[in-house]
Amino acid sequence: NAGVMQNPRHLVRRRGQEARLRCSPMKGHSHVYWYRQLPEEGLKFMVYLQKENIIDESGMPKERFSAEFPKEGPSILRIQQVVRGDSAAYFCASSPTGQGGDTQYFGPGTRLTVL
Amino acid sequence: GENVEQHPSTLSVQEGDSAVIKCTYSDSASNYFPWYKQELGKRPQLIIDIRSNVGEKKDQRIAVTLNKTAKHFSLHITETQPEDSAVYFCTKSLYSGGGADGLTFGKGTHLIIQP
Repeated sequence: NAGVMQNPRHLVRRRGQEARLRCSPMKGHSHVYWYRQLPEEGLKFMVYLQKENIIDESGMPKERFSAEFPKEGPSILRIQQVVRGDSAAYFCASSPTGQGGDTQYFGPGTRLTVL
Repeated sequence: GENVEQHPSTLSVQEGDSAVIKCTYSDSASNYFPWYKQELGKRPQLIIDIRSNVGEKKDQRIAVTLNKTAKHFSLHITETQPEDSAVYFCTKSLYSGGGADGLTFGKGTHLIIQP
């Protein structure tokens, strides 16, 4: 039973380019969460999605960041016109039921470096 | 969401001794409190969780206690071993009941087991 998959594992972009991060949830899970982790800090919640719906994007920056979880394929976190401050590890997690207190299982993360 | 305060930020204990990590929060709505362990460069992994209808939960050498009235919860690791060395995060869910939501993370405790 494959766990949460993320790709790429490492991504290098120059300032002003776009970054696309992908997340495939565990088999049978249809709820995906994205988090950002800066060095030496805890994870910060960004967005929660179900298939074809954004449920909660309260942690997402208002500009340059967007997320989707289409009916087919992985969830994608997109960062337009990246800046150095976007350098971080981006983790996604998935959960099975969408009920309160649902256990979240994390992927290995994508480490984004902006030059 | 409301923050989670976690301390200490670094904890060094002798192998075989116990380690205790404490967290506090301020909102009344949270009712789910998972703990994650993150080794360097790896994904966060759930080690134990507790829901607000119980005060204590134990799994082998790991235990978690919750005082919902005082709004604090703690992780206890007994008979520590070298493989326990990692960063530990306390987390809580943002809202009570209803659907799933993003987790709020503490800043983490770097646990070092001295041989």
